[in-house]
Amino acid sequence: GQNIDQPTEMTATEGAIVQINCTYQTSGFNGLFWYQQHAGEAPTFLSYNVLDGLEEKGRFSSFLSRSKGYSYLLLKELQMKDSASYLCAVRDNTNAGKSTFGDGTTLTVKP
Amino acid sequence: GAVVSQHPSRVICKSGTSVKIECRSLDFQATTMFWYRQFPKQSLMLMATSNEGSKATYEQGVEKDKFLINHASLTLSTLTVTSAHPEDSSFYICSARVQLAGVDTQYFGPGTRLTVL
Repeated sequence: GQNIDQPTEMTATEGAIVQINCTYQTSGFNGLFWYQQHAGEAPTFLSYNVLDGLEEKGRFSSFLSRSKGYSYLLLKELQMKDSASYLCAVRDNTNAGKSTFGDGTTLTVKP
Repeated sequence: GAVVSQHPSRVICKSGTSVKIECRSLDFQATTMFWYRQFPKQSLMLMATSNEGSKATYEQGVEKDKFLINHASLTLSTLTVTSAHPEDSSFYICSARVQLAGVDTQYFGPGTRLTVL
């Protein structure tokens, strides 16, 4: 099975940088995803890592270390609209390709 | 990008009735769809994996006779909550497994908020 840990809440200031960490233990690993979810809405895909290293996509970057079971999502130049829950999800290596989600980190961006 | 729709977006029903939720992939074919349930301030809990043309695979603890899943075509999966009770009130979200720009990922529908009175 999968066990995923991420902080419950974080607060940051508009224009700043914030790093959201995620650690996982898994019996089979086939990729790690980050999703953004605004209250009352469905998650939207942000990033995907399957190999070690940093993936950069605009203001968002995601890092993976498979040996450490560790990932982080880095958000730069924070905007008020970035206030949301950020979900870390790990996919297993079965044919079904199902993912297990962490409990999410609620990020509040303050002016 | 891939678009997944869900219908209805909100439903309120009486205890004991059945509710059907539809999940459609609008501009692509989805062999595999997933059904999740999310309670307030909690994460997504996978209920079942729906495969076109075959029986769904349910996660441990999810009653297959209560949550009926039908994936009859490559663009439609349905979840029927049978004999709904207040404890079934939740946010139900479907997703479709999709290959996009070389990434095997999933795109989510907008969700269905079910309230059972």
